[in-house]
Amino acid sequence: GQQLNQSPQSMFIQEGEDVSMNCTSSSIFNTWLWYKQDPGEGPVLLIALYKAGELTSNGRLTAQFGITRKDSFLNISASIPSDVGIYFCAGQEKGAQKLVFGQGTRLTINP
Amino acid sequence: DTAVSQTPKYLVTQMGNDKSIKCEQNLGHDTMYWYKQDSKKFLKIMFSYNNKELIINETVPNRFSPKSPDKAHLNLHINSLELGDSAVYFCASSQGLGNYEQYFGPGTRLTVT
Repeated sequence: GQQLNQSPQSMFIQEGEDVSMNCTSSSIFNTWLWYKQDPGEGPVLLIALYKAGELTSNGRLTAQFGITRKDSFLNISASIPSDVGIYFCAGQEKGAQKLVFGQGTRLTINP
Repeated sequence: DTAVSQTPKYLVTQMGNDKSIKCEQNLGHDTMYWYKQDSKKFLKIMFSYNNKELIINETVPNRFSPKSPDKAHLNLHINSLELGDSAVYFCASSQGLGNYEQYFGPGTRLTVT
């Protein structure tokens, strides 16, 4: 089945730095979502995107639906310690009735 | 007020046993899901139900049997547990078919020894 390629797999940054991660697919997607998972918890929905080119913010988080409909990006500005966790992209491929998930980006922040 | 809840949080059992995980959502959603997250954190859908009807069965072994007594509940029964079933199982829900904003429960960590 369709796989999403999420990168980077891990990031080690200083508090206050900006973060970027992305997700790519080989086919067209109709919906892109970004989730964050804290240890021992379920993924929490951060941002949902529905249209090619759409740029959506949620506080310090900004995500974009790529114009080709085959990728999405998540940026976090001015990172803080509570941003630590695993970030997942997820997408609904055109014609499919399910979400597929990326492999996750593990974010670690040095104070 | 928990939106999607699962019980138990942890489950440790021996190979060959049968176990169940329960899931309830109070969001008024029509669609519910079971996901499996492996040790590498990869999330993969197992089943989805819409208004108690099975929509997706993602080639899961038939030792796994979901049951939806009503649209707010989706339980997962697993027969003859195997070592490879050890994982974290997440329940999720969304408003309906075609709405992909899924809300996840806290997970059930299953360990088979």
